Amino acid sequence: DIQMTQSPSSLSASVGDRVTITCRASQRISSYLNWYQQKPGKAPELLIYSASNLQSGVPSRFSGSGSGTDFTLTISSVQPEYIATYYCQQSYSVPFTFGGGTKLE
Amino acid sequence: QVQLVESGGGVVQPGGSLRLSCAASGFTFSNYGMHWVRQAPGKGLEWVAFIRHDGTTNYYADSVKGRFTISRDNSKSTVYLQINSLGAEDTAVYYCAKDHSSNWSYFDYWGQGTLVTVSS
Repeated sequence: DIQMTQSPSSLSASVGDRVTITCRASQRISSYLNWYQQKPGKAPELLIYSASNLQSGVPSRFSGSGSGTDFTLTISSVQPEYIATYYCQQSYSVPFTFGGGTKLE
Repeated sequence: QVQLVESGGGVVQPGGSLRLSCAASGFTFSNYGMHWVRQAPGKGLEWVAFIRHDGTTNYYADSVKGRFTISRDNSKSTVYLQINSLGAEDTAVYYCAKDHSSNWSYFDYWGQGTLVTVSS
C-alpha cells in the first residue's frame, strides 16, 4: 500500500497569512494526488485534483503543486472560512489512501 | 445539481450487520464509479470500497475485505454497502462519494454521511 504522510498535522495562521501544507507519498504516484477540505461537522469537499488542477468553484487562493512523491497545497491568503482540516489522497493505485490530515486553526 | 444522500446507519451490536444506501441524483449515475469512505470519531478519512460504473469491478480496503460488500443498482441510481461482522473499529461516519470517471480517479462529490455505531 502507498503511505501518505502530511505535515504539519496542525497549523495556526492569521487572516491574510500564506500557508503551505506538504504531502509525501511512500512511492512515486506521478500526479495522481488530490486535496480535500473538511470543515467541522461537514463532509469533505474536493479542492484540487491531479496535483495542480483547481476544482470548479474553488477560490484561486488555493493552489497545488508537485509530482512523483512530494506535493504541496498552498493557501495564498488565509480567510476565516478556510478553517478546516485538509487531506491529501492518492488515486494512483488501490487502496486509495489518505494522508492523516492537517488541521488549520 | 449533484446530490448524494446516505441512509441506513444506526446502532448495531458487535457481530451485527447493516446495509447502507446512497441515493444519487443530478447526474447520469450509470456513467460513474462510486466509493464509500469512512471516518471514525475524531479521526481521519479511510477509503473503504469502490465499484465501477457498470458494477463489474469492486475493490476493498484490507480492513473490510470479506466483511463488506459494495453493490449498485443503476436503475435506482443507488449504491449500497452491506457491512457484516461489525466490530467496535467499524464505528464511523460512512460517506459515499462519486468518482469523476467511470473507473477511478478522484472523488468529486460527497454525501453528508451516515453514522454507524457498534455498541452492546
